[in-house]
Amino acid sequence: EDQVTQSPEALRLQEGESSSLNCSYTVSGLRGLFWYRQDPGKGPEFLFTLYSAGEEKEKERLKATLTKKESFLHITAPKPEDSATYLCAVGLGDYKLSFGAGTTVTVRA
Amino acid sequence: EAGVAQSPRYKIIEKRQSVAFWCNPISGHATLYWYQQILGQGPKLLIQFQNNGVVDDSQLPKDRFSAERLKGVDSTLKIQPAKLEDSAVYLCASSARLLAGTSLDTQYFGPGTRLTVL
Repeated sequence: EDQVTQSPEALRLQEGESSSLNCSYTVSGLRGLFWYRQDPGKGPEFLFTLYSAGEEKEKERLKATLTKKESFLHITAPKPEDSATYLCAVGLGDYKLSFGAGTTVTVRA
Repeated sequence: EAGVAQSPRYKIIEKRQSVAFWCNPISGHATLYWYQQILGQGPKLLIQFQNNGVVDDSQLPKDRFSAERLKGVDSTLKIQPAKLEDSAVYLCASSARLLAGTSLDTQYFGPGTRLTVL
């Protein structure tokens, strides 16, 4: 059965304190690994797509990496505006996107 | 470029009433999706359209939920009659196409409609 698990559920960071979020998956026939950011009361905002193991992508303080079983979202020197829920989603063989439950990140000034 | 538009943003109804949500995707996007997001969970796919045809509706509770996409552009999702457990945020997303090569194409989401069923 296809599964997507994100950890931790919640992460509290001090401004400037770097950390990583994990997305592990058991999927047959991966059709892309997607990271989204969701602010309270808003829809998910697209961040990255990763297609194959070893791939890395960066945007400002965020860097996403992909292996055959998991993806990491690294947040370097976070700022309060990086506070949000980060969602991981995997593209399945039946052309659907399956989401994890998300990691809620709070960055204190 | 305008994003995905949804209305209304909020809706409060009594159980057993009906409700409808509207979505206008990004211009030119062929594929449209409706998701249900319950508080504390990730979005769950309800139905996906390619132009005005249904690609997958296996997770749509068809006894009470219906959706249509007329002329391959706007879409409406209806719930009739609503139950307490339908309280959630209903998200619409669109992508230029279903696949980009062998991977799913990137989906872009609207702001969602928060439904409360009392």
